Amino acid sequence: KAGVTQTPRYLIKTRGQQVTLSCSPISGHRSVSWYQQTPGQGLQFLFEYFSETQRNKGNFPGRFSGRQFSNSRSEMNVSTLELGDSALYLCASSGTGGGTEAFFGQGTRLTVV
Amino acid sequence: AQTVTQSQPEMSVQEAETVTLSCTYDTSESDYYLFWYKQPPSRQMILVIRQEAYKQQNATENRFSVNFQKAAKSFSLKISDSQLGDAAMYFCAYRRINGNSGYALNFGKGTSLLVTP
Repeated sequence: KAGVTQTPRYLIKTRGQQVTLSCSPISGHRSVSWYQQTPGQGLQFLFEYFSETQRNKGNFPGRFSGRQFSNSRSEMNVSTLELGDSALYLCASSGTGGGTEAFFGQGTRLTVV
Repeated sequence: AQTVTQSQPEMSVQEAETVTLSCTYDTSESDYYLFWYKQPPSRQMILVIRQEAYKQQNATENRFSVNFQKAAKSFSLKISDSQLGDAAMYFCAYRRINGNSGYALNFGKGTSLLVTP
């Protein structure tokens, strides 16, 4: 069974640009969550999608948005990039069931210059 | 909001020895899940162990075990017979019970574990 796949693995963008990150969950998983990891703030929850609907949202500005497609693949978009958006963005997928674990992808390393 | 605190930014252990990583959390809920995740230099987050709050018995996975003290809101991870491959960043995480709350994880800041030969 293939794991969670995130593309691209590395990305360099300029301030003011926008970026789209992609996440393909484990087959059969309907929940996809996104996290931002930085040295200063640690791991912070961005949002979660379940069956194409945003089910949960963290405390991030509206520049951060996402969506989920009918095949459960998810995209995350960041508009008007700032230097502080430089981070490792992790995606996690979960199956159904209360105690189900989150399986993480290897992340996308975004650098904003 | 639930907060997770890991008070040890770094820990060191010798190979074959035992080490305990600390985690405390704050919540007003009675049912929830707690996790320990490992993040090696590859950055891949790997689940180490999981504990359901309604279970009194401490979870165990091979060399990894937890000491779950619900009243004290404490969830420490014990690694026995430490191996060089255990060197990584360890994160404690809290998750509310399923339902409309979804699968969002609240993470601690992490503990960097160094294993020396």
